[in-house]
Amino acid sequence: DTAVSQTPKYLVTQMGNDKSIKCEQNLGHDTMYWYKQDSKKFLKIMFSYNNKELIINETVPNRFSPKSPDKAHLNLHINSLELGDSAVYFCASSQDGTSGGETQYFGPGTRLLVL
Amino acid sequence: AQSVTQLGSHVSVSEGALVLLRCNYSSSVPPYLFWYVQYPNQGLQLLLKYTSAATLVKGINGFEAEFKKSETSFHLTKPSAHMSDAAEYFCAVRNQAGTALIFGKGTTLSVSS
Repeated sequence: DTAVSQTPKYLVTQMGNDKSIKCEQNLGHDTMYWYKQDSKKFLKIMFSYNNKELIINETVPNRFSPKSPDKAHLNLHINSLELGDSAVYFCASSQDGTSGGETQYFGPGTRLLVL
Repeated sequence: AQSVTQLGSHVSVSEGALVLLRCNYSSSVPPYLFWYVQYPNQGLQLLLKYTSAATLVKGINGFEAEFKKSETSFHLTKPSAHMSDAAEYFCAVRNQAGTALIFGKGTTLSVSS
């Protein structure tokens, strides 16, 4: 069983569209994350979320919004897609998000291309 | 604020040679440090992590890293490279709030036969 899964794996869309990426973890973890990997492979946190708190990286445009229907899922909604949103988006999860040394487990990534 | 610097965006070694990937960190608090590996078109996999226990940390696939506070370093090594080690390697530090990982820019490891 895949620990952290994402759908779709690839997403090609037009500028201005709205799209969602789904993430599910079956590890029983309390905290989930979204990271963005740009074309130079630089990884940067976008959001971290548990059932108590959403922490948003201040550099993330408000066109991006995480939505969590339950503890095992954290979806990423993107409105009015722009060319610069093209990137690989990784979902991750960890046990509770409060222990500094805990491991984050990453999904396989969603490759988004905006035309 | 926490940060990591990976020296060398690309490292090339021959099969069987020593692998050394460099990472220096900056942290205002005792750091939690991680090395992740990313194979082409895949997600990130944890190689090893330092959590203030032993300074020499052993990970998967024969990799290890040594935490040196005096040098603010956490370099990754492997005694003998294998072709399957070719990948992108990321060093990361937990941010002060404990809410996310801060990654270095990555080092691409190439292994030639």
